[in-house]
Amino acid sequence: EDQVTQSPEALRLQEGESSSLNCSYTVSGLRGLFWYRQDPGKGPEFLFTLYSAGEEKEKERLKATLTKKESFLHITAPKPEDSATYLCAVPNQAGTALIFGKGTTLSVSS
Amino acid sequence: DAMVIQNPRYQVTQFGKPVTLSCSQTLNHNVMYWYQQKSSQAPKLLFHYYDKDFNNEADTPDNFQSRRPNTSFCFLDIRSPGLGDAAMYLCATSRDIGGSGEQYFGPGTRLTVT
Repeated sequence: EDQVTQSPEALRLQEGESSSLNCSYTVSGLRGLFWYRQDPGKGPEFLFTLYSAGEEKEKERLKATLTKKESFLHITAPKPEDSATYLCAVPNQAGTALIFGKGTTLSVSS
Repeated sequence: DAMVIQNPRYQVTQFGKPVTLSCSQTLNHNVMYWYQQKSSQAPKLLFHYYDKDFNNEADTPDNFQSRRPNTSFCFLDIRSPGLGDAAMYLCATSRDIGGSGEQYFGPGTRLTVT
């Protein structure tokens, strides 16, 4: 069964304290891995798509990387406004839908 | 700005009383999705439309139905809401099916069942 597992479930950081979030997946024949940001009470907002092992994408303080079995979302010198739940998702084997992980809830305090 | 709009943002309904949630998009995307998201859970796909073709997930209860009268609009009908149907309902769109392109989400409708 296709699965997406994210860790940790929750992460508390001080402003400026860099860290990484993990997303591991078991779907075979990966056709893309997607990262989304979700603020409380809102819909997910698209961040990145990664397609092949070794690929990296950056946006402001966020950098996403991909290996054959997992992806990392690195947060460098986070600010309080980076506080949100970060979701990763992969297409199912049929390619008809995205399978989401439960997310990592990041809290950054000043 | 092109976007995905959901109405209402908050909906309260009584146990067993039918309710309809609406979604519209100005992106002119081919695919529209309905997800259910419960607290601290991953969004769970209920069904999607590729143009007019309806695709139901195998584990979506019969209590949930959907309509897409045109490219821009899609509706989620819950025929007899139960307490377990209280959740955030997210509408999303994409240009292509599934994982071949990113999905754009609306702000969601928070459904409360009393």
